[in-house]
Amino acid sequence: DIQMTQSPSSLSAYVGDRVTITCRAGQSINTSLNWYQQKSGKAPKLLIYIASTLQKGVPSRFSGSGSGTDFTLTISGLQPEDFATYSCQQSHSSPWTFGQGTKVEVK
Amino acid sequence: QMQLVQSGAEVKKPGASVKVSCKASGYTLRHHYMHWVRQAPGQGLEWMGIFNPSGGSPVYSQKFQGRVTMTGDTSTSTVYMELSSLRSDDTAVYYCARDSSGGWFDLWGQGTLVTVSS
Repeated sequence: DIQMTQSPSSLSAYVGDRVTITCRAGQSINTSLNWYQQKSGKAPKLLIYIASTLQKGVPSRFSGSGSGTDFTLTISGLQPEDFATYSCQQSHSSPWTFGQGTKVEVK
Repeated sequence: QMQLVQSGAEVKKPGASVKVSCKASGYTLRHHYMHWVRQAPGQGLEWMGIFNPSGGSPVYSQKFQGRVTMTGDTSTSTVYMELSSLRSDDTAVYYCARDSSGGWFDLWGQGTLVTVSS
């Protein structure tokens, strides 16, 4: 199984801050990396797929980059509605695996 | 609009089975594979398996092999996930999630809480 490791596990930030979350794969997954946002008590929502492609309807302040084993999710100008948990997921090979999540909290 | 609507919360005793349904609307069920993902309280997301509504054998995570069965009914646009021999650590929210056809999950059900308690 491909292990996905996110860092940090949580962070505190102000509205307007630039936030970066990292996801590392246990082996190369090319660009088969996807990002989800999950708010408390809700289902995850797809933000970015194939490492850097923004899902339709997702604000442009969200961006993704990386390939191989190292990936980042960046939120440029954190908004109040962005406080949530973010998870990465590899779609390179079965079993599909997720990172443990990064909780973004209000500072 | 496209949506996945899951069945309601369940409370089960250890050793029992649970069957969760996921009804698709707004698109043709057989055009997309369906995954099942679970999330234990305070934990991350865990992939359980993938089901092809057009036929073929499901693929299950090794962790759940022998305990999970995924089926579907295209006439009602509904897929099902049955988990047997329930234990307390199966307490979780279970989600169905549509595969985009690229391996990412572009549409999710609202989740079904399954509580296993004696």
